[in-house]
Amino acid sequence: DTEVTQTPKHLVMGMTNKKSLKCEQHMGHRAMYWYKQKAKKPPELMFVYSYEKLSINESVPSRFSPECPNSSLLNLHLHALQPEDSALYLCASSQASGGAPVGGAFFGQGTRLTVV
Amino acid sequence: EDQVTQSPEALRLQEGESSSLNCSYTVSGLRGLFWYRQDPGKGPEFLFTLYSAGEEKEKERLKATLTKKESFLHITAPKPEDSATYLCAVQAGGGSNYKLTFGKGTLLTVNP
Repeated sequence: DTEVTQTPKHLVMGMTNKKSLKCEQHMGHRAMYWYKQKAKKPPELMFVYSYEKLSINESVPSRFSPECPNSSLLNLHLHALQPEDSALYLCASSQASGGAPVGGAFFGQGTRLTVV
Repeated sequence: EDQVTQSPEALRLQEGESSSLNCSYTVSGLRGLFWYRQDPGKGPEFLFTLYSAGEEKEKERLKATLTKKESFLHITAPKPEDSATYLCAVQAGGGSNYKLTFGKGTLLTVNP
């Protein structure tokens, strides 16, 4: 099974709402990632969890809050977003060994987020 | 700072017309170079990992090669279903560096 599953596929939320994006993988990967992708742009890294600990935060605004409950799950909690936060949010996972990544990252199909 | 430049930005081919996509990179110690395919509105699909100069990987009509400065994705006798954006990414070596630096991609269109 080489799949990363993201839910929901689409989400529309108001600027005062609180919502969560969910990601699950069963490949035994110990590194999980959140990326943000705007139209016709490459993915931009937001957060990395390595062995369930936050390893990288690319100076993301606090209205985005990541959580890694266990080695298979990754959440992204959203609160008080702005319209410019509308984008495709991608979860990915990769193998890790000794605290370093191994091999390529496998991406989910993404959550299309629209903030109104 | 790690940099990845992909060319051309867009490529239009006739079915069966072979060609190559280029990915030039500068990175402080290459841990890996990755090729992805991305269809509109979907997540990137992993294609290949290359680790060292001279390495080659093949999958169906695609072949990826790597030198010390660039990588090529060769597409042999493409079909319309090969139409997609192809992304190249590099990962620098050293420590716990998980960050992928992506190029802007090449939009490939294959006409029947």
